[in-house]
Amino acid sequence: DTGVSQNPRHKITKRGQNVTFRCDPISEHNRLYWYRQTLGQGPEFLTYFQNEAQLEKSRLLSDRFSAERPKGSFSTLEIQRTEQGDSAMYLCASSLGYNSPLHFGNGTRLTVT
Amino acid sequence: SQQGEEDPQALSIQEGENATMNCSYKTSINNLQWYRQNSGRGLVHLILIRSNEREKHSGRLRVTLDTSKKSSSLLITASRAADTASYFCATDAGANSKLTFGKGITLSVRP
Repeated sequence: DTGVSQNPRHKITKRGQNVTFRCDPISEHNRLYWYRQTLGQGPEFLTYFQNEAQLEKSRLLSDRFSAERPKGSFSTLEIQRTEQGDSAMYLCASSLGYNSPLHFGNGTRLTVT
Repeated sequence: SQQGEEDPQALSIQEGENATMNCSYKTSINNLQWYRQNSGRGLVHLILIRSNEREKHSGRLRVTLDTSKKSSSLLITASRAADTASYFCATDAGANSKLTFGKGITLSVRP
C-alpha cells in the first residue's frame, strides 16, 4: 500500500492561468474523490468517480473546473482561468467503495496571486 | 454544504486527560466516520460506525452514535501530545452519495 499520491505539493500561479493537478489513488480502489479545503474549514466535496465514470459533481464547481479519470486509475483536476478565490488545499482521496473509509493524499496547495 | 457540526470548535487539555468531541448532523445517514488531520497534511481515517451500531472501540478511541438525536461523540482516552490535531466527523448518506465533512475541532494536548 503506497498510499494516495498527489502532485504537485504546492502550486503558485497568477490569476487567469490554468493549472492541472494529478492524483494517483491506491491501486485497487475504484472510487476517487476530489475535495477542496480552506483554512479553518472542513473538506468541501468537489466531485467523485466510480472507476472512470464521474458520478457526481458539486454545484459549487463552476464550469472552470474539470476532472477526468480516463482509465479508472489516476485522475486530473484542471482549473481554467484561475481566480484568487480558488486558493485552497485540493485533496484527493480513494476508497474501495460503498461503506469504506477514504484514504487521503497530502493535498496540493494552490496559491493564486 | 457541511452536514456535520462538531462541538466544541477548540479543545485544550493536559496530557493524560480524556478528550470528548461531539458531532451533530441533519439528515439520515448510512454511516458516520471520524478523521484526524495534522497541520498541512491530508486526513487520516480513525473509525467508521454504521447506522445500526451504537458504540465502537479502536485502541484509545471510543465512538458512540445516537441516530435518534442525530449525534455522535468521539472519546480519546489518556491523551498524548501526539494527539494534537484537527478532528472531523463525516457523514455518508448512502451508496451513491459523497462523504460530507464538518468544520472540525482543533484539539491541543499540552505535555
